[in-house]
Amino acid sequence: AQSVTQPDARVTVSEGASLQLRCKYSYSATPYLFWYVQYPRQGLQLLLKYYSGDPVVQGVNSFEAEFSKSNSSFHLQKASVHWSDSAVYFCALPTSSGQKLVFGQGTILKVYL
Amino acid sequence: GGIITQTPKFLIGQEGQKLTLKCQQNFNHDTMYWYRQDSGKGLRLIYYSITENDLQKGDLSEGYDASREKKSSFSLTVTSAQKNEMAVFLCASSIQTSAETLYFGSGTRLTVL
Repeated sequence: AQSVTQPDARVTVSEGASLQLRCKYSYSATPYLFWYVQYPRQGLQLLLKYYSGDPVVQGVNSFEAEFSKSNSSFHLQKASVHWSDSAVYFCALPTSSGQKLVFGQGTILKVYL
Repeated sequence: GGIITQTPKFLIGQEGQKLTLKCQQNFNHDTMYWYRQDSGKGLRLIYYSITENDLQKGDLSEGYDASREKKSSFSLTVTSAQKNEMAVFLCASSIQTSAETLYFGSGTRLTVL
């Protein structure tokens, strides 16, 4: 069965630092992969998605993610974080039927000044 | 652009009570979803619906009923609220499948006394 693991429940970084949020997946073929972000008291919003092709995908707010088939990973990165990036970040992939989206447990990001 | 509206934003109930959460979308999307969000556990799918009057059980459907009488609306009923239960219920929609972007409402926060 498909699964997504985000090994870091919480990440704390200072403003201006670089960021990597980790995501590992389990899937028999090459999956579609998503990163969603949830700001306080809001629903989730799509940050970026990978379907195929270039393993590095660009998203909103200067986020990017790199797909690695050999490592079964889809890590999210940002070169320089801002305090407003503080939020919960979810990695996700659809099931093989495409009808359900499986989410990781989420990583709480706190950016301090 | 469209919007997903969830009502109420906050719901307080008593143990054993039947409680109904509502969701409306104006994207004209075919598929709608109900997710439950518990702290540290990510999002778990309760029910989804691929078209009007269709209902599909997710991984956490026990204790819940759902209804999709119109394309634009999807309601969720907690059949018997459990004491000390606290979670956020998120409604989402997509054009057709989870392989496309999901659009989320801002959630209903449930507290059971």
